[in-house]
Amino acid sequence: QKEVEQNSGPLSVPEGAIASLNCTYSDRGSQSFFWYRQYSGKSPELIMFIYSNGDKEDGRFTAQLNKASQYVSLLIRDSQPSDSATYLCAVLNTGGFKTIFGAGTRLFVKA
Amino acid sequence: DAGITQSPRYKITETGRQVTLMCHQTWSHSYMFWYRQDLGHGLRLIYYSAAADITDKGEVPDGYVVSRSKTENFPLTLESATRSQTSVYFCASSGGRGTSTDTQYFGPGTRLTVL
Repeated sequence: QKEVEQNSGPLSVPEGAIASLNCTYSDRGSQSFFWYRQYSGKSPELIMFIYSNGDKEDGRFTAQLNKASQYVSLLIRDSQPSDSATYLCAVLNTGGFKTIFGAGTRLFVKA
Repeated sequence: DAGITQSPRYKITETGRQVTLMCHQTWSHSYMFWYRQDLGHGLRLIYYSAAADITDKGEVPDGYVVSRSKTENFPLTLESATRSQTSVYFCASSGGRGTSTDTQYFGPGTRLTVL
């Protein structure tokens, strides 16, 4: 089992819809969780981080964390073609020194 | 300019040659990281450093060497390049342990091809 798992996609949604991206992790002691966005040929950039169970909202983005289920998700409301990218889930391990990245989910938003 | 830079951006080399990838950050971040990104594997940690003169192995360290004599620089050396090391290499930095400082900021990447 991979330490951080994501559905590779591609996930295709129409413009204006909600895109839901999911991630599971294996290290139950993990405390910090991140979503990065990576456009083709570019470097990853942080969208959101979350530390506590529940929801965290930032504009059109909502991160959801359920530590009991070891599950993190990212919701993108009112999806735009510019949201088309690969979304990487990342988890800081129990020791707090290493961030483990999932392989990423490719998202396509159709105009 | 402030930020994190990598050089070269593109490199073609031959099997068996030594190659050094450079990484420089201007934020005085404590932590620096080297990742490689391959299709289907996502980002895999090669080495990381918590401070100058402190480095540790990541997930895939074999064939790589790092050093950190200065806080702002973190070069990655492939001692004897192999074709399997063809990849895109990203350097990243973060402020260190703690809440918002865990965020990693990535350089633009180096695309390395080993023939």
